[in-house]
Parts: sequence; C-alpha cells; structure tokens
Amino acid sequence: RKEVEQDPGPFNVPEGATVAFNCTYSNSASQSFFWYRQDCRKEPKLLMSVYSSGNEDGRFTAQLNRASQYISLLIRDSKLSDSATYLCVVNKIGYSTLTFGKGTMLLVSP
Amino acid sequence: DARVTQTPRHKVTEMGQEVTMRCQPILGHNTVFWYRQTMMQGLELLAYFRNRAPLDDSGMPKDRFSAEMPDATLATLKIQPSEPRDSAVYFCASALRDTQYFGPGTRLTVL
Repeated sequence: RKEVEQDPGPFNVPEGATVAFNCTYSNSASQSFFWYRQDCRKEPKLLMSVYSSGNEDGRFTAQLNRASQYISLLIRDSKLSDSATYLCVVNKIGYSTLTFGKGTMLLVSP
Repeated sequence: DARVTQTPRHKVTEMGQEVTMRCQPILGHNTVFWYRQTMMQGLELLAYFRNRAPLDDSGMPKDRFSAEMPDATLATLKIQPSEPRDSAVYFCASALRDTQYFGPGTRLTVL
C-alpha cells in the first residue's frame, strides 16, 4: 500500500459546483496533515492544514478521519481559479519530512 | 514577502555534464529540503538539512548526486554526470516547523 494515495482525476466540474477529494494514508501514527495546491508548471503551495477537529477556510473545508485513515477536502462554489492539482500531504513519523501524494487534478469549467 | 529562491529556473544540458542548482531558503528557516518532481513519480524527497547538517539523503542516487549547505543562506544540489533520466523539476523548500514553503523550481532537461 502506498504511503499516501489519491485519485489522480481529473475531476471536471462546472463553476459553482461542490467537489470533494479524498486521500488515504497508510501510517496510522501519522500526526500532521496538509493540503497543498499546485498550479500547472508552478511550485506547490500550502492550501490548509488539517486538524483532528476539521477546519474551514472560506469555501474550503478539510476533514480528518483517523479511524479510517483518510483526509478529505471539500470545495464549495467552485471558481475557475480553483483549477489546479491538489496534493495530500502527511508527515512521516520519526522524521521531519512530509510525504506527498501524487495529487488530484481539478478542472473547473465555465 | 519572504520567498524561497532557486537558480537557474531552466537548464538544458547534455548527458555527462555537471549540473548545479542553487537555493536560498527563507531567512530564519532552519530546515531545507530538495525534491524532484516527474509526472510518473510525483514529488520525491531527495535530501534535507536542519541547521545546515544533512539529516537524510536516502532518496538521492549517491553515485551522481550530492547536496550541500555551505551556509545558512545557500543550499546546492549537484548532479555529475547528468543523465537523461535526471530530467525533472527540482524543488527546494524551507521550513521552520511543519509547513514547507517551496521555491519556483529548476526545470532540468538532459539531452
């Protein structure tokens, strides 16, 4: 089982739609979780951290389910500018490094 | 607005040549990472440093890759000799705690 797994997509949605991505991780002892966003030919940028209690930032909501070892990202009212690849990121226990999923591509169309 | 900078942004070279990539981390960040990204493998960690000391370079091909941090403001990644399979985008990232901030990357093409 890969350390971090994501559906590569692409997810094609119209503007205004709600879309959700899931990500599963293999190490039950992982403690830190993040979603990064990467635009085409650009560097990854932190979108949001994922806390046990869940967190919301505007149109974006992240949830953590430790029992099932998955993380989710919900985007409401999708904008054209949300088109990007979303990377699920988990810390590696015992190290200070992060493990990145391969990403889920989102395409928002007019 | 503090940012990680990387040079060069693009590099085209021929197989067998030496390639040196440079990174300036965000001032005050004590951890620096080198990643390689390809379509097939995604983002792979090559090496990282904390307070300039190398902590893990297990992701790096030892025979041709080397990473150093000569001072707190400069990290380097060298490939010698380069091979076509090294073609990828190489990212540097710096961090103070868990959050990593990435540089714009060096797009390397080895012919």
